[in-house]
Amino acid sequence: DVKVTQSSRYLVKRTGEKVFLECVQDMDHENMFWYRQDPGLGLRLIYFSYDVKMKEKGDIPEGYSVSREKKERFSLILESASTNQTSMYLCASGGQGATYEQYFGPGTRLTVT
Amino acid sequence: AQRVTQPEKLLSVFKGAPVELKCNYSYSGSPELFWYVQYSRQRLQLLLRHISRESIKGFTADLNKGETSFHLKKPFAQEEDSAMYYCALSEVKNYGGSQGNLIFGKGTKLSVKP
Repeated sequence: DVKVTQSSRYLVKRTGEKVFLECVQDMDHENMFWYRQDPGLGLRLIYFSYDVKMKEKGDIPEGYSVSREKKERFSLILESASTNQTSMYLCASGGQGATYEQYFGPGTRLTVT
Repeated sequence: AQRVTQPEKLLSVFKGAPVELKCNYSYSGSPELFWYVQYSRQRLQLLLRHISRESIKGFTADLNKGETSFHLKKPFAQEEDSAMYYCALSEVKNYGGSQGNLIFGKGTKLSVKP
């Protein structure tokens, strides 16, 4: 049973703070992803990683960075949080190939005040 | 550009009625399509993928390449089907091997009334 865990379910931060969101998967998947989920906008890809230390920008990378030092862990970093980054953040992992399933974490609801 | 369109934000039906959640896509290659579902307070999970040609929880989806559609259907809706449904397209990229990124539609909220 695949498990994708995220470090926090709820997080409240102040504008300008540096924020770290952690994601861990236990299925030895090559690929890991960070999305944000907003009502009416669906899921939008922020960054993904297809291997350790490798990363690629998604559709909305501005204001975010990522780190993947170990295969099982993928971190999303908000360098200087802003109120428009208030959102639900979903992490996912999956294997190689076009037909693989992505497995999602429970999400982190981030509020920036 | 690759795109997934779900034209309905909200779909409300009565229990026992047929359900069809629409999904249209734009993709230059041979598409791999999925439906994901998110029940209240649960994580997003795969419902079905077109390559499997399976029926999950009574739902089916047929890929129509001529109409570039992948509509999700169920003949008799149940209250427990109420959820957020996302159609997704796998966009194949090559980073030292074939990788597929998912492009999601904006989602349709299905509400099944008793």
